[in-house]
Amino acid sequence: AQSVTQPDIHITVSEGASLELRCNYSYGATPYLFWYVQSPGQGLQLLLKYFSGDTLVQGIKGFEAEFKRSQSSFNLRKPSVHWSDAAEYFCAVGAWSGYSTLTFGKGTMLLVSP
Amino acid sequence: DVKVTQSSRYLVKRTGEKVFLECVQDMDHENMFWYRQDPGLGLRLIYFSYDVKMKEKGDIPEGYSVSREKKERFSLILESASTNQTSMYLCASSDLGDGTEAFFGQGTRLTVV
Repeated sequence: AQSVTQPDIHITVSEGASLELRCNYSYGATPYLFWYVQSPGQGLQLLLKYFSGDTLVQGIKGFEAEFKRSQSSFNLRKPSVHWSDAAEYFCAVGAWSGYSTLTFGKGTMLLVSP
Repeated sequence: DVKVTQSSRYLVKRTGEKVFLECVQDMDHENMFWYRQDPGLGLRLIYFSYDVKMKEKGDIPEGYSVSREKKERFSLILESASTNQTSMYLCASSDLGDGTEAFFGQGTRLTVV
């Protein structure tokens, strides 16, 4: 069975600074990988996804993520954080089951300081 | 614009009540899911459905059941609500095929007293 680890529960970043959120996955084959964002009181919104091909994936709101098979990682990055990026971020892995069930990490809460 | 709608944002129910959480999607998706979200635990899959009248258990199905009588509607049922089922419940849907994106509703915050 697949699993996802997000090692950081909370991260605080100054506005304008760069951001990297870590995600490690466990899966026997090439996974589908996703990053979702959840603003307070809201559902989850997809930021980006990786299926195959180019290992650097661009998403919405200026986010990108890099798939590194050797490290089983899919870290999310943004070069300059805005106060509106404060939210909870979830990494997820999807299995080749046909049902597209996703397994989520426990989330990383991003706080943005002025 | 794609949409997954959950019937209630907030619910307060008493212990032992039968509780229905409703979810409707307008994207003609085959797959529908119910997740439970708790602080520090992330999202955990309760049940999913890949077709009308079909259902599969997820990781934490105990104490829950589901119903999918129509393609667009997926209901989560708490047969006898307990305080440990106080949580945020998220419904999602996705198209058929591997690795398709899941679209989420805004969630139902259920409190069982």
